[in-house]
Amino acid sequence: QVQLQESGPGLVKTSETLSLTCTVSGGSISSYYWTWIRQPPGKGVEWIGYVYFSGSTSYSPSLKSRLTMSVDTSKNQFSLKVSSVTAADTAVYYCARANYLHGVEVWGRGITVTVSS
Amino acid sequence: EIVLTQFPGTLSLSPGERATLSCRASQSVSSDYLAWYQQKPGQAPRLLIYATSSRATGIPDRFSGSGSGTDFTLTVSRLEPEDFAVYYCQQYGSSLWTFGQGTKVEIK
Repeated sequence: QVQLQESGPGLVKTSETLSLTCTVSGGSISSYYWTWIRQPPGKGVEWIGYVYFSGSTSYSPSLKSRLTMSVDTSKNQFSLKVSSVTAADTAVYYCARANYLHGVEVWGRGITVTVSS
Repeated sequence: EIVLTQFPGTLSLSPGERATLSCRASQSVSSDYLAWYQQKPGQAPRLLIYATSSRATGIPDRFSGSGSGTDFTLTVSRLEPEDFAVYYCQQYGSSLWTFGQGTKVEIK
């Protein structure tokens, strides 16, 4: 059974770059859309974007200028970078696996990232 | 970008009652690629329904989805105590995916 685990710093300083990695275990990273979703405290979930196993990406228009996503098939990992962060980027960040028929079918447990000066 | 609007924002019901949640899209959802997720406090969301009406693995048949185009519905036929949670719809029919703002189903 595939499992996803987010890793990265829990605290990022304002204006710096938030970097997270998601490790996929129990399955291959091929043939899926590897997705990032976030949830600010007390609010709903927000789609950030995805990276396909081939490396192609799709990003939320509201975040696109600050985002970089990539996949490392040799390590069964994919990653997220958000540049120039502010307090508004404070959230629980989820990595997830999606496919075009089922939507987001497997979720990680989430990692809390706080942005503070 | 397709905007999804969920209503009502909060639904207050008793166990055993029927819950009807709505999700309206600002434009037609391609191939009816609309999913529903359930989220409980402190947990990641869980996929309930995909492609408008197909139940995900292990989801009880009291959960059902319907709709097409711009109007979609999640129905819980008889609420169990574990069904009180927040529900999100999501469209994935375009290259830019979006979520609705959520509907909270609370115990009356």
